[in-house]
Amino acid sequence: NAGVTQTPKFQVLKTGQSMTLQCAQDMNHEYMSWYRQDPGMGLRLIHYSVGAGITDQGEVPNGYNVSRSTTEDFPLRLLSAAPSQTSVYFCASSFLQGGEAFFGQGTRLTVV
Amino acid sequence: GDSVTQMEGPVTLSEEAFLTINCTYTATGYPSLFWYVQYPGEGLQLLLKATKADDKGSNKGFEATYRKETTSFHLEKGSVQVSDSAVYFCALSERGGGTSYGKLTFGQGTILTVHP
Repeated sequence: NAGVTQTPKFQVLKTGQSMTLQCAQDMNHEYMSWYRQDPGMGLRLIHYSVGAGITDQGEVPNGYNVSRSTTEDFPLRLLSAAPSQTSVYFCASSFLQGGEAFFGQGTRLTVV
Repeated sequence: GDSVTQMEGPVTLSEEAFLTINCTYTATGYPSLFWYVQYPGEGLQLLLKATKADDKGSNKGFEATYRKETTSFHLEKGSVQVSDSAVYFCALSERGGGTSYGKLTFGQGTILTVHP
């Protein structure tokens, strides 16, 4: 029972580099989302998707892109990393009707 | 828009002490309410939830009651243990049509440390 799997767990980038954070779920959830967690600010929604081929912006989308080609996968792309993107990133999934959201273990990203 | 406000932390308690973490919310509709817990180095996991007014969610000795009149969902536990040390997040999810489903709004989190 894998649940939500995020890779990598840790990453260090140089300013200006790009990378993709991977997220996969095996629960057939329609809804998937990406959050960033910063001290004292809780979790802030970056992007979300309600199904394959449908994505939308959350609260803090600038500097990030997403796509949803399959129900299972929802990668997050950093186009040109900046130190302000140093954070812990969480992917989550749930059924559209609400209820429990399942979270990945997180990716700790440092941009130097 | 929707928002969730939690009591500021960190909270430090001795084992077997009583715990209350306050949570209030503002929402345009009639949300479902949640408490999530994050243990060190891990992702968030659902602790308990309530979906309508006066519902009480409970799990692992924790309880919270959905109070629509005061827009609150305070977390309580009668006797905390060292293993309860974690970060606790209050959250809400609006119900409604379109893309409202599934979207969670979080409070800022409260760090709880329990000493033996």
